[in-house]
Amino acid sequence: EPEVTQTPSHQVTQMGQEVILRCVPISNHLYFYWYRQILGQKVEFLVSFYNNEISEKSEIFDDQFSVERPDGSNFTLKIRSTKLEDSAMYFCASTWVTGDNEQFFGPGTRLTVL
Amino acid sequence: GDSVTQMEGPVTLSEEAFLTINCTYTATGYPSLFWYVQYPGEGLQLLLKATKADDKGSNKGFEATYRKETTSFHLEKGSVQVSDSAVYFCALSATGGSYIPTFGRGTSLIVHP
Repeated sequence: EPEVTQTPSHQVTQMGQEVILRCVPISNHLYFYWYRQILGQKVEFLVSFYNNEISEKSEIFDDQFSVERPDGSNFTLKIRSTKLEDSAMYFCASTWVTGDNEQFFGPGTRLTVL
Repeated sequence: GDSVTQMEGPVTLSEEAFLTINCTYTATGYPSLFWYVQYPGEGLQLLLKATKADDKGSNKGFEATYRKETTSFHLEKGSVQVSDSAVYFCALSATGGSYIPTFGRGTSLIVHP
């Protein structure tokens, strides 16, 4: 069964460093998303991506964040200069059509900023 | 804005016990409501959903009824198994908008043999 994959499963970085979180969505999906969950808090939407551009983003998704689909399979989230408060679980999701349809989530990347 | 509130976890039960995980929501209009489940080491998976008032979503023995009058969507299962141990997320998606789901914090369920 097709699934969304994410790498790495755990990333540890120093404050101020750049990190790139990688996702491989399901192959025939067209809409891609990033969410994050700070420990003990809600899962929060960051950004959605369609047709090689951002379609929607939240207030959290500031200039420190960027997303890219560098090839036909990967979908990446870059944080340019990490802060302590960026420590969270980051989930990638995809779906083949927008609307009230099921999003398929990856297992997440745990980012720890020291 | 829209929000979802779930009961605090962890919820710890013995096998075959009855499960209720409470979820209430605040939204304008008539959202669709969802329960997602996350098993250890895996991504969130859609468990069930309901798109209008009084609808009942069901899957794998789990049920939840969309109660507009109480703005609730409580998750229930009559007899839990050890394999149901997971984190359960309640979510809503506002119709007519972007369909980006708003999630709760998640409730951890631990089922002992």
